[in-house]
Amino acid sequence: NAGVTQTPKFQVLKTGQSMTLQCAQDMNHNSMYWYRQDPGMGLRLIYYSASEGTTDKGEVPNGYNVSRLNKREFSLRLESAAPSQTSVYFCASSELGGTGVGQPQHFGDGTRLSIL
Amino acid sequence: KQEVTQIPAALSVPEGENLVLNCSFTDSAIYNLQWFRQDPGKGLTSLLLIQSSQREQTSGRLNASLDKSSGRSTLYIAASQPGDSATYLCAVKDTNAGKSTFGDGTTLTVKP
Repeated sequence: NAGVTQTPKFQVLKTGQSMTLQCAQDMNHNSMYWYRQDPGMGLRLIYYSASEGTTDKGEVPNGYNVSRLNKREFSLRLESAAPSQTSVYFCASSELGGTGVGQPQHFGDGTRLSIL
Repeated sequence: KQEVTQIPAALSVPEGENLVLNCSFTDSAIYNLQWFRQDPGKGLTSLLLIQSSQREQTSGRLNASLDKSSGRSTLYIAASQPGDSATYLCAVKDTNAGKSTFGDGTTLTVKP
């Protein structure tokens, strides 16, 4: 029972490089989310997808793009990485669908990203 | 803008002690409140979800209470064990905006 799987677990980038963080869930959930976790700032929502085919901005979307490839997969892309994007990134999913922001229920183990 | 605060940031107790973790929020118009556990290097695991109409929820040795009018929630852990050592986060879901705002967590260490 894998739940939410994120790849890679760790990554070091240089400023200006691009990369895509991958996320897949096997629970047939409608909604998926991308968060970043930084000390003193809690978890902040970057983007979410209420259902397959839809994506919406969260609290801190600047510098990121997302793709809901299918119901299982939701990827996060950094087009030109900046040191301020050094963080731990979490993908989450929930069975709640429809419009608006649902409620994350299941989280992946995170991707630890450092931008030099 | 909703703000969620968890004090203290860290707590260390001996095994067997009963303890209370605190969560406060600034806007009482919430839809629900959720408590999570996060182990080092891992994601969040949902522990308890309290709807705005409820006063408390229980799961095993865990009991969470909610007082919307005062903007507070507590997570009570009975007979703590070393395996309870983790960071505990609370998150409130706003009625209007519908998004969840997370606290920064309380890191609990239970010493054998």
